[in-house]
Amino acid sequence: AQSVSQHNHHVILSEAASLELGCNYSYGGTVNLFWYVQYPGQHLQLLLKYFSGDPLVKGIKGFEAEFIKSKFSFNLRKPSVQWSDTAEYFCAADRGSTLGRLYFGRGTQLTVWP
Amino acid sequence: EAGVAQSPRYKIIEKRQSVAFWCNPISGHATLYWYQQILGQGPKLLIQFQNNGVVDDSQLPKDRFSAERLKGVDSTLKIQPAKLEDSAVYLCASSPGQGVYGYTFGSGTRLTVV
Repeated sequence: AQSVSQHNHHVILSEAASLELGCNYSYGGTVNLFWYVQYPGQHLQLLLKYFSGDPLVKGIKGFEAEFIKSKFSFNLRKPSVQWSDTAEYFCAADRGSTLGRLYFGRGTQLTVWP
Repeated sequence: EAGVAQSPRYKIIEKRQSVAFWCNPISGHATLYWYQQILGQGPKLLIQFQNNGVVDDSQLPKDRFSAERLKGVDSTLKIQPAKLEDSAVYLCASSPGQGVYGYTFGSGTRLTVV
C-alpha cells in the first residue's frame, strides 16, 4: 500500500532560520507530489506540487521542494522563515492516474518564534 | 471561482446520536472526496465519488458511516450512531476528475462526540 512519511512531527525555529521538512513516499510508479499548509482554523492550502519536469519546484510564499526519485523524497525548503509561517504542513502523494486520490503524511507542526 | 463549501463548521453531539455533513464542490468538478482528519494525524480518505458513482469506499466504516452524491453534485456524509473516536475534522475535496489538475479542499466540519 502506498504511504507518505513525514519524519519531523514538530519543528521550532526562530525567524530568519532556514527550514527543511522531510517527506518520503513508498509508491514506485508514477506519482504526483504535493505540499499543503494548514493555518490554525483554516482549510488546507496548496503550497506547491510536482507532476513532472524540473524536480525543483517553486511554490507560494517563498517555499520550494525538490523531488529526488532515487530517494523517494520530496522535501520542503524555505531559506528564511517568518513568524507567519507558523502552521501545520502536510506532504501528500497520488498515483498520477486520472482517478487519483491523495495519501497524506501525518503532518509537521512548524512553530516560528519572532 | 467559488471554493468547496461545507456545512456546518462545527458540531457537538452525544455518542450514539446521528449527524450529517454537507459538501458542495466546485462547479464542474467530477470527483469528490471525503476525508477524516483526526487530531495529530494527516487526512485519511473515507470515500471517493466520480460523478455520482463510488470509486473507493474501502476505508469507510460502513456499519455506521454512509455517503451519497445525488445527481453528481452535492454530497452528504452521515454517521449513525456516532462513537467517541469519530471526533475529527471531516474534509471535503473536489477535483476536475484528473489528478494532474490538483485538489481543492473545503474548510471542514469539526465534529466533537461527547
